[in-house]
Amino acid sequence: GAGVSQSPSNKVTEKGKDVELRCDPISGHTALYWYRQSLGQGLEFLIYFQGNSAPDKSGLPSDRFSAERTGGSVSTLTIQRTQQEDSAVYLCASSLLRGNSPLHFGNGTRLTVT
Amino acid sequence: DAKTTQPNSMESNEEEPVHLPCNHSTISGTDYIHWYRQLPSQGPEYVIHGLTSNVNNRMASLAIAEDRKSSTLILHRATLRDAAVYYCILRTESGSARQLTFGSGTQLTVLP
Repeated sequence: GAGVSQSPSNKVTEKGKDVELRCDPISGHTALYWYRQSLGQGLEFLIYFQGNSAPDKSGLPSDRFSAERTGGSVSTLTIQRTQQEDSAVYLCASSLLRGNSPLHFGNGTRLTVT
Repeated sequence: DAKTTQPNSMESNEEEPVHLPCNHSTISGTDYIHWYRQLPSQGPEYVIHGLTSNVNNRMASLAIAEDRKSSTLILHRATLRDAAVYYCILRTESGSARQLTFGSGTQLTVLP
């Protein structure tokens, strides 16, 4: 079946430009996570959507980062006025809202800010 | 948030068993133990999870200490394709753990 889909797979942008990263979760999954992974590092939590509840934005590194999830499905992560330190792989994961439910990850969007 | 600690790296010979440890001394009674692995240039993939009892699936086995403060992922016969970063995380029963903290994981190298 279809897994988590992220687009684009690669994005190169100039410093100062805005970018939008998209995540299509598995149908029916109410929980959606965004993570960031810099080269050779672990996963850094960014934001978490849980059903219709207010999202947990505690991991967003600055107010240049925002995310939304429309209709409980597709999510978009927006980075405004990109900086070189924003370069990383951005990963999206979805799951059912149960502790014994696995997270399903997409293959990520590799963002390079020049 | 309950945290996990893992060795930074481990090595194994091909076709030998591998035991990957994880400490989670602050685990709560409702936390599930999940393991994921990340191959190069891919997103993490689910391996196995458990609550109290040992678990087996086609990919691996999970051994959970009686006090649940540690667990071990067991790959029965390592192959070159098992070379990856392995992450141990805790997930609450409700699934609403805000920050599923992955840490740096264990880089497994499989030697031919």
